Amino acid sequence: DTGVSQNPRHKITKRGQNVTFRCDPISEHNRLYWYRQTLGQGPEFLTYFQNEAQLEKSRLLSDRFSAERPKGSFSTLEIQRTEQGDSAMYLCASSSGTSYQETQYFGPGTRLLVL
Amino acid sequence: GDSVTQMEGPVTLSEEAFLTINCTYTATGYPSLFWYVQYPGEGLQLLLKATKADDKGSNKGFEATYRKETTSFHLEKGSVQVSDSAVYFCALSEAGGFKTIFGAGTRLFVKA
Repeated sequence: DTGVSQNPRHKITKRGQNVTFRCDPISEHNRLYWYRQTLGQGPEFLTYFQNEAQLEKSRLLSDRFSAERPKGSFSTLEIQRTEQGDSAMYLCASSSGTSYQETQYFGPGTRLLVL
Repeated sequence: GDSVTQMEGPVTLSEEAFLTINCTYTATGYPSLFWYVQYPGEGLQLLLKATKADDKGSNKGFEATYRKETTSFHLEKGSVQVSDSAVYFCALSEAGGFKTIFGAGTRLFVKA
């Protein structure tokens, strides 16, 4: 399988706990994106990496959220001190090329439930 | 800022009916426009895209034309099937940037 993979697929945690999600992009893709999708809404952009550099962050990404892509391959998204409002589907996507017209390929997502 | 507005669902159609899902956008510059589909239990998949005015994207019998004058990118299919039941998202990618902005999605139910 050469698609985008995400782990875990589901995570249930208690409020106040820290959680970390992993995304493995398509191997030759140099761009990686994180989105958040709440029920009944479209995905909302969180952040974007080109290789290992984090180039853009949404205001949605509070200081409790941190994302890394240390070697320009897989990425992690950590949420510290989780709140019930963090419950959502977290989507990762990857793309290659140099243009904003390029296609982003999405992973299956990690569904987070904060109790 | 840039935004995408699409018709609210759910949309319920009988098999072989004609489908239109309206999408309008607000953007500076010349964005690229996309339709993504999310089938039950699956991830988002690109359905079609158009990168400049008057381009028509097409795939699997679905079509959408980039209309700059009306800032629209309506999705159409001449004859829907039960297997088309899914949530459809209109999206744009900002000119010069890489962030993709999505509409809220339109759920389509097709009855046999």
